[in-house]
Amino acid sequence: GAGVSQSPSNKVTEKGKDVELRCDPISGHTALYWYRQSLGQGLEFLIYFQGNSAPDKSGLPSDRFSAERTGGSVSTLTIQRTQQEDSAVYLCASSPLMETQYFGPGTRLLVL
Amino acid sequence: GIQVEQSPPDLILQEGANSTLRCNFSDSVNNLQWFHQNPWGQLINLFYIPSGTKQNGRLSATTVATERYSLLYISSSQTTDSGVYFCAVTGYSSASKIIFGSGTRLSIRP
Repeated sequence: GAGVSQSPSNKVTEKGKDVELRCDPISGHTALYWYRQSLGQGLEFLIYFQGNSAPDKSGLPSDRFSAERTGGSVSTLTIQRTQQEDSAVYLCASSPLMETQYFGPGTRLLVL
Repeated sequence: GIQVEQSPPDLILQEGANSTLRCNFSDSVNNLQWFHQNPWGQLINLFYIPSGTKQNGRLSATTVATERYSLLYISSSQTTDSGVYFCAVTGYSSASKIIFGSGTRLSIRP
């Protein structure tokens, strides 16, 4: 069946612009996760959704970052007024309730 | 918050060798996972193992929650095992926040 998909696969933007990253989880997976990985760095957890709600938003790096999930399915991560330090690979994963996570291919974001 | 330390940071082995990767954590956890990121960046969740032992083919993992560590064993390693192995935990105080270790970079030489 279809895995987790993310779009766009690559995004180049200018400093100060807003970007939206999309994640389509595996159908039926109730949990959805966002992570980012800067070049050569480890993984940083951003936010987790159970259904449409995110119990803990403290992992978001700043108030320029927001995320939503509608209909218990698609999620959008929005970064406002992008900065160069936002450049990273943004990864999405889904799972059937706090179990094995299945990752998408990621969105590579470059802020010039 | 919880600190997660992984060792060794780097490991180079010949094909066929066995290896043990370690993950130490500083506080009680209600969830622990092991991930593999291949050289092309694809992430795979290997184990969800808050306690006990699990095995999947040549890989197995053991978490001793009372002593705050987990071990990932790779037997008869293959070049496709190369990549970075991450350990990640969630604590009881914030069960929805996942904290990653810095990873072990494993290189398997043919």
